Amino acid sequence: GQQLNQSPQSMFIQEGEDVSMNCTSSSIFNTWLWYKQDPGEGPVLLIALYKAGELTSNGRLTAQFGITRKDSFLNISASIPSDVGIYFCAGRENSGGSNYKLTFGKGTLLTVNP
Amino acid sequence: EAQVTQNPRYLITVTGKKLTVTCSQNMNHEYMSWYRQDPGLGLRQIYYSMNVEVTDKGDVPEGYKVSRKEKRNFPLILESPSPNQTSLYFCASSPRGTRFSYNEQFFGPGTRLTVL
Repeated sequence: GQQLNQSPQSMFIQEGEDVSMNCTSSSIFNTWLWYKQDPGEGPVLLIALYKAGELTSNGRLTAQFGITRKDSFLNISASIPSDVGIYFCAGRENSGGSNYKLTFGKGTLLTVNP
Repeated sequence: EAQVTQNPRYLITVTGKKLTVTCSQNMNHEYMSWYRQDPGLGLRQIYYSMNVEVTDKGDVPEGYKVSRKEKRNFPLILESPSPNQTSLYFCASSPRGTRFSYNEQFFGPGTRLTVL
Protein backbone atom coordinates (compact mmCIF):
# COMPACT_ATOMS: atom_id res chain seq x y z
CA GLY A 1 0.00 0.00 0.00
CA GLN A 2 0.81 3.67 -0.08
CA GLN A 3 3.58 4.78 2.26
CA LEU A 4 4.46 8.12 3.71
CA ASN A 5 8.03 9.20 4.34
CA GLN A 6 8.17 10.96 7.67
CA SER A 7 11.31 12.62 8.98
CA PRO A 8 13.15 12.84 11.17
CA GLN A 9 12.68 9.48 12.88
CA SER A 10 13.65 10.98 16.22
CA MET A 11 14.64 14.29 17.75
CA PHE A 12 16.31 15.24 21.01
CA ILE A 13 15.88 18.89 21.87
CA GLN A 14 16.16 21.28 24.78
CA GLU A 15 13.10 22.81 26.36
CA GLY A 16 12.26 26.07 24.65
CA GLU A 17 13.55 25.08 21.23
CA ASP A 18 11.40 24.96 18.11
CA VAL A 19 10.78 21.67 16.32
CA SER A 20 9.99 20.88 12.72
CA MET A 21 9.02 17.57 11.13
CA ASN A 22 7.59 16.67 7.73
CA CYS A 23 5.95 14.00 5.61
CA THR A 24 6.13 13.36 1.90
CA SER A 25 4.14 11.12 -0.37
CA SER A 26 4.51 9.89 -3.93
CA SER A 27 0.76 10.34 -4.41
CA ILE A 28 -1.47 13.37 -4.20
CA PHE A 29 -3.36 13.57 -0.94
CA ASN A 30 -6.53 15.55 -0.30
CA THR A 31 -6.21 15.43 3.47
CA TRP A 32 -3.27 15.62 5.83
CA LEU A 33 -3.57 14.93 9.54
CA TRP A 34 -1.11 15.15 12.40
CA TYR A 35 -1.49 12.95 15.48
CA LYS A 36 0.40 12.72 18.76
CA GLN A 37 0.78 9.54 20.75
CA ASP A 38 1.68 9.75 24.42
CA PRO A 39 3.36 6.73 26.01
CA GLY A 40 0.84 3.95 26.70
CA GLU A 41 -2.02 5.67 24.89
CA GLY A 42 -3.62 5.81 21.48
CA PRO A 43 -2.92 8.61 18.97
CA VAL A 44 -4.82 11.86 19.39
CA LEU A 45 -5.55 14.23 16.52
CA LEU A 46 -3.66 17.55 16.70
CA ILE A 47 -4.34 19.29 13.39
CA ALA A 48 -6.30 18.48 10.24
CA LEU A 49 -5.58 20.06 6.83
CA TYR A 50 -7.94 19.87 3.86
CA LYS A 51 -6.69 22.30 1.23
CA ALA A 52 -3.39 22.74 -0.59
CA GLY A 53 -1.46 25.63 0.90
CA GLU A 54 -3.55 25.64 4.06
CA LEU A 55 -1.71 26.75 7.18
CA THR A 56 -3.38 25.89 10.48
CA SER A 57 -2.36 26.51 14.07
CA ASN A 58 -3.33 24.86 17.32
CA GLY A 59 -1.64 26.69 20.17
CA ARG A 60 2.11 26.28 19.74
CA LEU A 61 1.59 23.86 16.86
CA THR A 62 1.44 24.93 13.23
CA ALA A 63 0.97 22.64 10.25
CA GLN A 64 0.84 23.24 6.53
CA PHE A 65 -0.60 21.35 3.59
CA GLY A 66 2.00 21.52 0.82
CA ILE A 67 1.16 23.23 -2.46
CA THR A 68 2.02 20.10 -4.45
CA ARG A 69 -0.41 18.14 -2.21
CA LYS A 70 2.36 15.59 -1.68
CA ASP A 71 3.78 16.91 1.55
CA SER A 72 3.01 18.46 4.90
CA PHE A 73 5.00 19.76 7.83
CA LEU A 74 4.40 20.28 11.53
CA ASN A 75 6.15 22.90 13.64
CA ILE A 76 6.15 23.09 17.42
CA SER A 77 7.34 26.35 18.91
CA ALA A 78 8.90 26.84 22.34
CA SER A 79 8.81 23.15 23.23
CA ILE A 80 7.96 22.02 26.75
CA PRO A 81 8.51 18.65 28.47
CA SER A 82 4.92 17.50 27.87
CA ASP A 83 5.53 17.68 24.12
CA VAL A 84 7.36 14.37 24.48
CA GLY A 85 5.78 11.61 22.44
CA ILE A 86 5.49 10.16 18.97
CA TYR A 87 4.10 12.39 16.24
CA PHE A 88 2.43 10.77 13.24
CA CYS A 89 1.42 12.26 9.97
CA ALA A 90 -1.48 10.64 8.13
CA GLY A 91 -2.90 11.24 4.72
CA ARG A 92 -5.89 10.35 2.62
CA GLU A 93 -5.38 9.88 -1.10
CA ASN A 94 -7.36 11.77 -3.67
CA SER A 95 -8.94 8.58 -4.93
CA GLY A 96 -12.53 9.73 -5.04
CA GLY A 97 -15.52 7.79 -3.76
CA SER A 98 -15.99 7.28 -0.07
CA ASN A 99 -12.61 5.86 0.80
CA TYR A 100 -11.96 6.67 4.44
CA LYS A 101 -8.61 4.91 4.59
CA LEU A 102 -5.76 6.81 6.14
CA THR A 103 -2.11 6.03 5.53
CA PHE A 104 0.21 6.77 8.42
CA GLY A 105 3.86 7.79 8.49
CA LYS A 106 6.24 5.83 10.70
CA GLY A 107 6.36 8.54 13.32
CA THR A 108 8.80 11.03 14.81
CA LEU A 109 9.86 10.34 18.39
CA LEU A 110 10.34 13.64 20.20
CA THR A 111 12.34 13.91 23.42
CA VAL A 112 12.49 17.23 25.25
CA ASN A 113 15.19 17.76 27.84
CA PRO A 114 14.13 20.13 30.63
CA GLU B 1 -17.95 10.02 27.99
CA ALA B 2 -17.35 9.48 24.27
CA GLN B 3 -14.73 6.80 23.85
CA VAL B 4 -13.36 3.75 22.14
CA THR B 5 -12.69 0.84 24.48
CA GLN B 6 -10.59 -2.23 23.90
CA ASN B 7 -10.28 -5.43 25.88
CA PRO B 8 -8.06 -6.85 27.03
CA ARG B 9 -5.38 -4.17 27.38
CA TYR B 10 -2.65 -6.77 27.78
CA LEU B 11 -2.59 -10.39 26.67
CA ILE B 12 0.08 -13.07 26.64
CA THR B 13 -0.85 -16.23 24.78
CA VAL B 14 0.70 -19.18 23.00
CA THR B 15 0.98 -20.02 19.34
CA GLY B 16 -2.20 -21.44 17.86
CA LYS B 17 -4.60 -20.55 20.65
CA LYS B 18 -7.50 -18.61 19.18
CA LEU B 19 -8.15 -15.20 20.69
CA THR B 20 -10.44 -12.23 20.24
CA VAL B 21 -9.72 -8.60 21.04
CA THR B 22 -12.90 -6.62 21.48
CA CYS B 23 -13.47 -3.02 20.41
CA SER B 24 -16.49 -0.95 21.24
CA GLN B 25 -17.39 2.69 20.60
CA ASN B 26 -20.25 4.70 22.06
CA MET B 27 -20.26 7.53 19.51
CA ASN B 28 -22.50 5.89 16.90
CA HIS B 29 -19.68 6.01 14.38
CA GLU B 30 -20.07 4.24 11.05
CA TYR B 31 -16.40 3.69 10.32
CA MET B 32 -14.18 1.45 12.44
CA SER B 33 -10.69 0.17 11.86
CA TRP B 34 -7.94 -1.96 13.36
CA TYR B 35 -4.25 -1.06 13.26
CA ARG B 36 -1.11 -2.68 14.51
CA GLN B 37 1.86 -0.66 15.65
CA ASP B 38 5.37 -2.05 15.48
CA PRO B 39 8.70 -0.32 16.18
CA GLY B 40 10.00 1.40 13.08
CA LEU B 41 6.89 0.56 11.06
CA GLY B 42 4.36 3.00 12.46
CA LEU B 43 0.66 2.24 12.26
CA ARG B 44 -0.50 -0.25 9.67
CA GLN B 45 -4.13 -0.91 8.93
CA ILE B 46 -5.35 -4.49 9.33
CA TYR B 47 -9.06 -4.31 8.50
CA TYR B 48 -11.69 -1.63 8.36
CA SER B 49 -15.46 -1.43 8.27
CA MET B 50 -17.54 1.26 6.61
CA ASN B 51 -20.72 0.15 8.35
CA VAL B 52 -22.55 -2.84 9.78
CA GLU B 53 -21.84 -6.02 7.78
CA VAL B 54 -19.34 -4.15 5.57
CA THR B 55 -15.69 -5.00 6.13
CA ASP B 56 -12.60 -4.83 3.96
CA LYS B 57 -8.91 -5.64 4.11
CA GLY B 58 -6.34 -3.05 5.01
CA ASP B 59 -2.64 -3.30 4.30
CA VAL B 60 -1.75 -6.27 6.55
CA PRO B 61 -4.84 -8.52 6.88
CA GLU B 62 -3.12 -11.92 6.81
CA GLY B 63 -3.81 -13.97 9.93
CA TYR B 64 -6.68 -11.80 11.12
CA LYS B 65 -10.47 -11.81 10.86
CA VAL B 66 -13.05 -9.23 11.84
CA SER B 67 -16.80 -8.97 12.03
CA ARG B 68 -19.23 -6.07 12.26
CA LYS B 69 -22.58 -7.42 13.36
CA GLU B 70 -23.43 -4.33 15.37
CA LYS B 71 -22.51 -0.72 14.78
CA ARG B 72 -20.74 -0.26 18.09
CA ASN B 73 -18.58 -3.41 18.09
CA PHE B 74 -15.72 -4.46 15.84
CA PRO B 75 -13.85 -7.47 17.27
CA LEU B 76 -10.47 -8.58 15.94
CA ILE B 77 -10.04 -12.34 15.77
CA LEU B 78 -6.78 -14.26 15.57
CA GLU B 79 -7.74 -17.84 14.69
CA SER B 80 -4.23 -19.24 15.09
CA PRO B 81 -1.89 -16.61 16.52
CA SER B 82 1.80 -16.72 15.67
CA PRO B 83 4.77 -14.92 17.24
CA ASN B 84 4.94 -12.44 14.34
CA GLN B 85 1.57 -11.13 15.49
CA THR B 86 3.12 -9.89 18.71
CA SER B 87 2.34 -6.20 18.52
CA LEU B 88 0.42 -3.24 19.90
CA TYR B 89 -3.08 -3.12 18.45
CA PHE B 90 -5.34 -0.09 18.15
CA CYS B 91 -8.98 0.15 17.27
CA ALA B 92 -10.27 3.43 15.86
CA SER B 93 -13.60 4.86 14.81
CA SER B 94 -14.83 7.90 12.98
CA PRO B 95 -18.19 9.32 12.00
CA ARG B 96 -19.45 9.53 8.48
CA GLY B 97 -21.11 12.71 7.55
CA THR B 98 -19.55 15.94 6.57
CA ARG B 99 -16.27 15.95 4.78
CA PHE B 100 -14.64 17.47 7.84
CA SER B 101 -15.84 14.93 10.35
CA TYR B 102 -15.04 11.56 8.90
CA ASN B 103 -11.33 12.15 8.85
CA GLU B 104 -10.95 12.43 12.59
CA GLN B 105 -10.36 8.92 13.81
CA PHE B 106 -10.73 8.37 17.55
CA PHE B 107 -8.35 5.74 18.83
CA GLY B 108 -8.75 3.27 21.65
CA PRO B 109 -6.10 2.87 24.38
CA GLY B 110 -4.42 -0.09 22.70
CA THR B 111 -3.99 -3.81 23.35
CA ARG B 112 -0.50 -5.16 23.82
CA LEU B 113 -0.41 -8.75 22.57
CA THR B 114 2.45 -11.17 23.06
CA VAL B 115 2.37 -14.54 21.29
CA LEU B 116 4.89 -17.06 22.62
